[in-house]
Order: sequence, then C-alpha cells, then structure tokens
Amino acid sequence: QKEVEQNSGPLSVPEGAIASLNCTYSDRGSQSFFWYRQYSGKSPELIMFIYSNGDKEDGRFTAQLNKASQYVSLLIRDSQPSDSATYLCAVFGLSNFGNEKLTFGTGTRLTIIP
Amino acid sequence: GAVVSQHPSRVICKSGTSVKIECRSLDFQATTMFWYRQFPKQSLMLMATSNEGSKATYEQGVEKDKFLINHASLTLSTLTVTSAHPEDSSFYICSARKRANDGAQYFGPGTRLLVL
Repeated sequence: QKEVEQNSGPLSVPEGAIASLNCTYSDRGSQSFFWYRQYSGKSPELIMFIYSNGDKEDGRFTAQLNKASQYVSLLIRDSQPSDSATYLCAVFGLSNFGNEKLTFGTGTRLTIIP
Repeated sequence: GAVVSQHPSRVICKSGTSVKIECRSLDFQATTMFWYRQFPKQSLMLMATSNEGSKATYEQGVEKDKFLINHASLTLSTLTVTSAHPEDSSFYICSARKRANDGAQYFGPGTRLLVL
C-alpha cells in the first residue's frame, strides 16, 4: 500500500509565528509533491508544488523536500488567521496498477490563534 | 489560470433517482479529469480517472455501473450517480490536470449530494 502520512493535528500556532506542516511518504519512486489548502466545506486549492530536493519559496510559503528521508514539509511564515484550514499533502507517482496517481494524506488541521 | 467549475453545487434528490454532475475546465484543456468523494472529516477518496475519449479507470471498490463517468471533450467530464441511495450522500469533487506528467490537479468547487 502506497501511503502518505500527516499528523492530523489540530496544530495551533499564534498569529505571526511560523507554522510547520510535515508529511512522509512510502513510495521512493514518487516524482512530485504538492500542498493543498482546504477550508471547511470547500474543495482543495493548490498552494505549492515541489519536484527537486531542497527548498522552494513562494511568498509566505516554503516547501521543503528530502527524497532520501521521504519527507516533505510546508512552512508558513507570518501566519494569519486566514491560514486556518486543513492542509493536504499529495504525492504523485505510479499507483499499484501502473497508472499515474496523486495520493493524498489525511490532512493536518491548522488553527492560527489571533 | 487553471479554473475548474462544477455544476450543480448542491443537489437533494429522492432515493432511487439518478443525479448527473458536470465538471468543466474553463481556461485550459484537460486530457485527464478525476472524480473524488469526501465524507465529513475524512480525506479525499479517488473514485475514478477519466481520460478524454476513453473509458474511465475506476478505483478498487467503486462500482462502475453505479457511478457512470463520461469524458466527452477536453473540457467536460460528467459523473452520473445512478439509483442513488442515502449512503451515496457525500461531497463529490472533480479535478483536472493541465499537463501530463507534472501531477498537479486543479479542483472544482465540489457538489454536495444529499439523498433522502
């Protein structure tokens, strides 16, 4: 079973602090990695993607990938109350049936405390 | 951009009826679209992968005859829930992929189905 694991939280972070979200995956052949944000009752929204080892920054968001450790993380700087949501880690690779598939973690619920 | 629309956003129907949900990519052509289901406080569950002009690939445990998928064009896929029952009540979300091999999927706003 190819898995993506996240701490379900809830993770509470004071406004203005850095929120750190972590994700591990089991398939070493995974090719690309995504972070989605999902507000309650809404569909997921793509906020970051990363393909290569290292860091990738986009505004207040930084994605970090370590393929050797099979670990991907998302840092949110200067956290705002509007960042309160569930964050889904998704990993792209081949499914057990050989077709391309995006596998989602169960999500981490983040709450930013004003 | 990468905008995906879904229609309807919400539907209530009686048990035994069929419901069709449309998914459209508005500003790009999507060779592949995906259908997910999400129950309250649970993660996304992939139901099927839909390729334009070919039959959908269903995930294990998803009934092909109950969840009919048609991907008639590069911008439109439809999901029909046939003979819906209360246990089919869920949040159905489609997504579309802009380019092959990069994996990124863009989601529609979802359709909330309630079967009475």
